[in-house]
Amino acid sequence: QVQLQESGPGLVKPSETLSLTCTVSGGSISGYYWSWIRQPPGKGLEWIGYMYYTGGANYNPSLKSRVIISPDTSKNQFSLTLTSVTAADTAVYYCARGARFYDYWGHGTLVTVSS
Amino acid sequence: DVVMTQSPLSLPVTLGQPASISCRSSQSLVYSDGNTYLNWFHQRPGQSPRRLIYKVSNRDSGVPDRFTGSGSGTDFTLKISRVEAEDVGIYYCMQGTHWPGTFGQGTKVEIK
Repeated sequence: QVQLQESGPGLVKPSETLSLTCTVSGGSISGYYWSWIRQPPGKGLEWIGYMYYTGGANYNPSLKSRVIISPDTSKNQFSLTLTSVTAADTAVYYCARGARFYDYWGHGTLVTVSS
Repeated sequence: DVVMTQSPLSLPVTLGQPASISCRSSQSLVYSDGNTYLNWFHQRPGQSPRRLIYKVSNRDSGVPDRFTGSGSGTDFTLKISRVEAEDVGIYYCMQGTHWPGTFGQGTKVEIK
């Protein structure tokens, strides 16, 4: 059974950089697409972007200038970097497998942007 | 972006009764490979979304057969034949055909 686990700081200051890691167990990241999705408190889901295990990526145009998603195949992980954060980036961040349909999800991690 | 519109947004249901959620897209969801990348997810409070249905009508492993997805083009439906207590939560449709992928607003299912 594939399992995903998000990790990273729960609090980030405005204008700083949010960095999260997704660790995949029970399967390899090789051969698959992997995504990051977020959900502001009490709101709906927003897809951030996806990457292929070889490193090619595609991002939501609304975030494109601030986002990087990249793999670390040696650790069976992939990461999310979001720069110049504001309060609007406060959300639960999920990692998931897939680009067009997400069959496995992490439990999510709450990231709060506040000084 | 493709807009996904769900209705109703709130759905009180009686245990054992059927329920139906509609999802409409602002563009056809048929991809160039012939597939329609329309998925349904269920999210319980405090939990991550769980996929129920992929490519319109394919039920995920372990999903009860009381859940049925149907539709084509721009018009899709998720039906629950007999609602059980564990079915409460928010249901989202999501399209993966067009860039970027987009979700519906969510439909909150609760027991009357």
